[in-house]
Amino acid sequence: GAGVSQSPSNKVTEKGKDVELRCDPISGHTALYWYRQSLGQGLEFLIYFQGNSAPDKSGLPSDRFSAERTGGSVSTLTIQRTQQEDSAVYLCASSFPIKIAGGRYNEQFFGPGTRLTVL
Amino acid sequence: GQQVMQIPQYQHVQEGEDFTTYCNSSTTLSNIQWYKQRPGGHPVFLIQLVKSGEVKKQKRLTFQFGEAKKNSSLHITATQTTDVGTYFCAVIAGGTSYGKLTFGQGTILTVHP
Repeated sequence: GAGVSQSPSNKVTEKGKDVELRCDPISGHTALYWYRQSLGQGLEFLIYFQGNSAPDKSGLPSDRFSAERTGGSVSTLTIQRTQQEDSAVYLCASSFPIKIAGGRYNEQFFGPGTRLTVL
Repeated sequence: GQQVMQIPQYQHVQEGEDFTTYCNSSTTLSNIQWYKQRPGGHPVFLIQLVKSGEVKKQKRLTFQFGEAKKNSSLHITATQTTDVGTYFCAVIAGGTSYGKLTFGQGTILTVHP
């Protein structure tokens, strides 16, 4: 079946421009996440959507970053007035959390990412 | 916020040698996940551990969750060149943010043929 898809795969932009990154999660997945991964680094949580609940925006690094998820499916991450330090791979993941003994089973399926380069 | 330390940062082994990476938390974890990221690829889920003292095996990979649920390890027996990549642990914050994962810094594994 189709996995998580992201577009564009690569984006080169000039400092100060706005960019939009798109994520198409796996159909039926209620949870959607955005992460940022700088070269050779770990994954930095940005934002998390779960169903109709208010998103967890606690990882957004500044007010230049915003995200929305329309109709509980597709999500767009917007970065306004891009800076060079925003250059990274932006990864989207989706999951269908299931309640189990001891917590929730929450296998995340990652998309291929969007490599953003800010010149 | 939730923090998790992962060691070592790098590991170089000869093919056939064993490999272990460790994750440690100062707080008790509800559960822990492990992911593998091949060079140039995206993270792929390997396993989730929930129970205290849990041990799970997947072929040559053995995953352990500490008795106190504050640490975990991933052990690979007799590494192969296909094991190359970065291995991440990830923990789920407690409370209402059950879905938010905090990732360790990862261990980069290099396997020399």
